[in-house]
Formats: sequence, structure tokens, C-alpha cells
Amino acid sequence: GQNIDQPTEMTATEGAIVQINCTYQTSGFNGLFWYQQHAGEAPTFLSYNVLDGLEEKGRFSSFLSRSKGYSYLLLKELQMKDSASYLCALSGGGADGLTFGKGTHLIIQP
Amino acid sequence: DSGVTQTPKHLITATGQRVTLRCSPRSGDLSVYWYQQSLDQGLQFLIHYYNGEERAKGNILERFSAQQFPDLHSELNLSSLELGDSALYFCASSVVGSGDTQYFGPGTRLTVL
Repeated sequence: GQNIDQPTEMTATEGAIVQINCTYQTSGFNGLFWYQQHAGEAPTFLSYNVLDGLEEKGRFSSFLSRSKGYSYLLLKELQMKDSASYLCALSGGGADGLTFGKGTHLIIQP
Repeated sequence: DSGVTQTPKHLITATGQRVTLRCSPRSGDLSVYWYQQSLDQGLQFLIHYYNGEERAKGNILERFSAQQFPDLHSELNLSSLELGDSALYFCASSVVGSGDTQYFGPGTRLTVL
């Protein structure tokens, strides 16, 4: 099976930088996704890492290390609208759908 | 807007009843996935259909079933409903399958009283 761990909640300040970590245990997987989800709304796609390294997309970057079973999502120049849950998910590895972590609830303070 | 549509937005029903949730994928996507999100379990994969055929089952109860029609829209049928089935139900679509980015619909909030 697959197991994904993320911190339950984090707090950061508007304009700052925050790093949300995700560790996982799996026998294999195709890639790792990050989604953003505002309360009661649909998850929206942020990034996808297949290879080790950093993927940058505007204010958001995501990093993957397969050997360490570790990923992080980096959010820069935080805005109040970034207050949301951030979900780490694995694809493949014998599981057909995405396997999601429980998500990290990010609170942005002024 | 992801391009995935789901109806209804909200559904309130009683224990023991049966409901049908509907999903239309993004134009051109052949795969539809269904997920259940409850407060204690997070997002759980239920079932995957590709071009009308069932591809894989996840944590789906025997009381639940789904199908994908020739026009690629999908329906999730939930029967003999229990209080614990109250949750948000999302469908997602992707071009083909595993490894492709999945785009989520707005969800159906099911409340079982």
C-alpha cells in the first residue's frame, strides 16, 4: 500500500515564504501531485513531479526526492487567498486512482 | 473552472434511500474517477472508468456502483444509504489514465439524515 504524511496545520504571514512537507512510503509510484483545496470546493491542480528535483511555476515550486521519500511545496509572496488546504498525492504504484495525504491546512495571517 | 461538471450540488436524503450523482468530464477526456471526501478520512479513491469500461476499484462499498455512458458522462449510484455516507463526492477527469493530471469537478455534498 501507500502511506502519505503531511503536517495537519501551518501558519504563515502574508508576504512571507512557507514550505509544506510531504513524506511517503510506497513500493513504487509514477509521480507526485500537489493540489490546493479551499474549504468545500474542488481540489485544483498545482504541480506534478515525476523526476527528482525542483519544478517552478510562478509563486509555487515543488520538489521531489525519490530516494528520501520526500516532497515539498514552496509558496512565495504569500497572499491571504493562499489560505487553503494543500494535498499531496501519489499516482500509480499499483493504485489506479490518486492516493492522497490528509492535507495541510495553511492559515495566512496579516 | 476545471471544465468538469457535477450535479446536483447538494443532496439531502434519508437513511435507506438511493441516490444518483452525475458527472460530465472535460471535453476530450476519456477517464472519469470518483472520490469520496469525509472529515475523518480525507479524499478516498472509489472507482475509475475509461472510455465506458471499468478500470479499477478503490475503497468502494458494495452498496455503491458506477457506470460511464457512450457520451462519456458518468453516474455514481449510492444505495441503502447510511449516516456515514454523508460526505463530499468528487469526480475528476483526465485525458487517459494514471499519470495524467486529474481535474476535479465542484463536487456533490450528500447529507444522509
